[in-house]
Amino acid sequence: EAAVTQSPRNKVAVTGGKVTLSCNQTNNHNNMYWYRQDTGHGLRLIHYSYGAGSTEKGDIPDGYKASRPSQENFSLILELATPSQTSVYFCASGDRGVSYAEQFFGPGTRLTVL
Amino acid sequence: QQKVQQSPESLIVPEGAMTSLNCTFSDSASQYFAWYRQHSGKAPKALMSIFSNGEKEEGRFTIHLNKASLHFSLHIRDSQPSDSALYLCAVTEGADRLTFGKGTQLIIQP
Repeated sequence: EAAVTQSPRNKVAVTGGKVTLSCNQTNNHNNMYWYRQDTGHGLRLIHYSYGAGSTEKGDIPDGYKASRPSQENFSLILELATPSQTSVYFCASGDRGVSYAEQFFGPGTRLTVL
Repeated sequence: QQKVQQSPESLIVPEGAMTSLNCTFSDSASQYFAWYRQHSGKAPKALMSIFSNGEKEEGRFTIHLNKASLHFSLHIRDSQPSDSALYLCAVTEGADRLTFGKGTQLIIQP
């Protein structure tokens, strides 16, 4: 079974503070993704990566940075957190190419920015 | 950019009945069409997928794809309370990205 873990699982941050969300996968997948999920919006793609050292902008990248230091790890960084970034964040991994399009999700991180 | 829309937004179905969920997409070049299921407080998980026009059945679940109509659907036969969840449809955008619909909240009433 594919394994994607996230930390922390819950986080309360202050406005203007820096927040780092971490994701680790043991599937040896090339691709990793960060989504946020809000009621009424479904899953929206923030950043993704094709492999170590690469990051790509998704559909809603403003206010977020990403870092992929290794095949296994992918971080999402909020340099100056705002209350509008309160959400549930999911990391996912997947392999390259349409034939392997299925994505495997981590358990999510609930972030509250006060 | 791929546009994906789901209907209905929410659905209440009696136990034992058939459930039908719908998804439309905008890019006819898409190659992977999937349904993900998310139980409350949990991660989304792929339920079924299809790559070409037609129908695919796995147990009580059937997925239909009609690329010409830009539409695919999920049907659940003999719906069970354990099927209650948020159902997300997903379509590829390029080779490595998925675009998700906003979801259908399904409640199966005993």
